[in-house]
Amino acid sequence: NAGVTQTPKFRVLKTGQSMTLLCAQDMNHEYMYWYRQDPGMGLRLIHYSVGEGTTAKGEVPDGYNVSRLKKQNFLLGLESAAPSQTSVYFCASSADRERDNEQFFGPGTRLTVL
Amino acid sequence: AQKVTQAQTEISVVEKEDVTLDCVYETRDTTYYLFWYKQPPSGELVFLIRRNSFDEQNEISGRYSWNFQKSTSSFNFTITASQVVDSAVYFCALKGTTDSWGKLQFGAGTQVVVTP
Repeated sequence: NAGVTQTPKFRVLKTGQSMTLLCAQDMNHEYMYWYRQDPGMGLRLIHYSVGEGTTAKGEVPDGYNVSRLKKQNFLLGLESAAPSQTSVYFCASSADRERDNEQFFGPGTRLTVL
Repeated sequence: AQKVTQAQTEISVVEKEDVTLDCVYETRDTTYYLFWYKQPPSGELVFLIRRNSFDEQNEISGRYSWNFQKSTSSFNFTITASQVVDSAVYFCALKGTTDSWGKLQFGAGTQVVVTP
């Protein structure tokens, strides 16, 4: 049981390049999330999904797109990377609509945009 | 709007000292959930505890204890007899119930440094 995995672990991009971060979970969770972590700001929600085929905007969605074509995968895309998107990205999942379910996090992806 | 404030940016202690991390939250929801996560230097986020708004019992788990006080909107975390392995960033988080899915609002985190 791998839990939540993220690919890649590290990436360096040049301004204007595009990339996709992949998140996979093997816990059959309905809910999946993408966060970014910046110094002194905690984690901020980018986008989330409440089920296969659904996505919604979080707190800081600009510059990102997401897709949830399969229940176990949640992809985060950067179409034209900017230095402001340099951050550590975390994917998380949670079981269902029960509000007290904790979110399980992946190991993170460290992205640097030059 | 929901807000979580962790006023302590960094706390440094010597091993075996106790350390208390403050967490103050704001929400208009009458039912809500509070969480603590640990982020060690390796970077992953580890779930520590959840507490719902109608259960104000304090909780102890080994060297960890949590003090939930609804009257002051606080959910503080104490590490007793700290160890070097406790060095990490600790995040407090709040999940309300107004939204259909419940957004998790994180505080900025408190860095704990435990020296031998």
